[in-house]
Amino acid sequence: LAKTTQPISMDSYEGQEVNITCSHNNIATNDYITWYQQFPSQGPRFIIQGYKTKVTNEVASLFIPADRKSSTLSLPRVSLSDTAVYYCLVPSYSGAGSYQLTFGKGTKLSVIP
Amino acid sequence: DAGVTQSPTHLIKTRGQQVTLRCSPKSGHDTVSWYQQALGQGPQFIFQYYEEEERQRGNFPDRFSGHQFPNYSSELNVNALWLGDSALYLCASSHRRGLDEQYFGPGTRLTVT
Repeated sequence: LAKTTQPISMDSYEGQEVNITCSHNNIATNDYITWYQQFPSQGPRFIIQGYKTKVTNEVASLFIPADRKSSTLSLPRVSLSDTAVYYCLVPSYSGAGSYQLTFGKGTKLSVIP
Repeated sequence: DAGVTQSPTHLIKTRGQQVTLRCSPKSGHDTVSWYQQALGQGPQFIFQYYEEEERQRGNFPDRFSGHQFPNYSSELNVNALWLGDSALYLCASSHRRGLDEQYFGPGTRLTVT
């Protein structure tokens, strides 16, 4: 089964760029990598999804190297409201088309004024 | 568009009882996934419903069961509740069996005493 590994926590000052890396050594050939943000007592919220190279949207960028064994979520110029837990999600296959969608422990980002 | 809705918001049950949680997916979505999130942990995949059948399942016992209705709404049933079942239960809806962006509801907070 694919397993994701992220740093447990990160601190950043307001206005800085934050990069959170997730390793996913057993990612399947056709799978996308998806990142979510979660605030306390709320459901996770989709940030960005990518397959290879670089993807950018209005809130973040996602960098995926050629071997796809890791991915880096980049948040430009963070603000206090970006304080949250960030998860990367990769499907975990167990054979015969069966998979699980399991989040890892996530990275708790704390933005400091 | 109301997005994903869940009911009830909070629930208190006694050990051994049974509980049913409900979820209405975002308009246009056909896939519903259920997650359990214990305090301080990432969401854990329980199972996924598509075309009214359970298509994928995580590492949860048979006490956890579900149903999807023709209008794509879904129920999660938990029998013989344990203290350890206390958690936030999240419902997520999506296209493409959850491999695309998932939209999460606010969750149901279940407390087992």
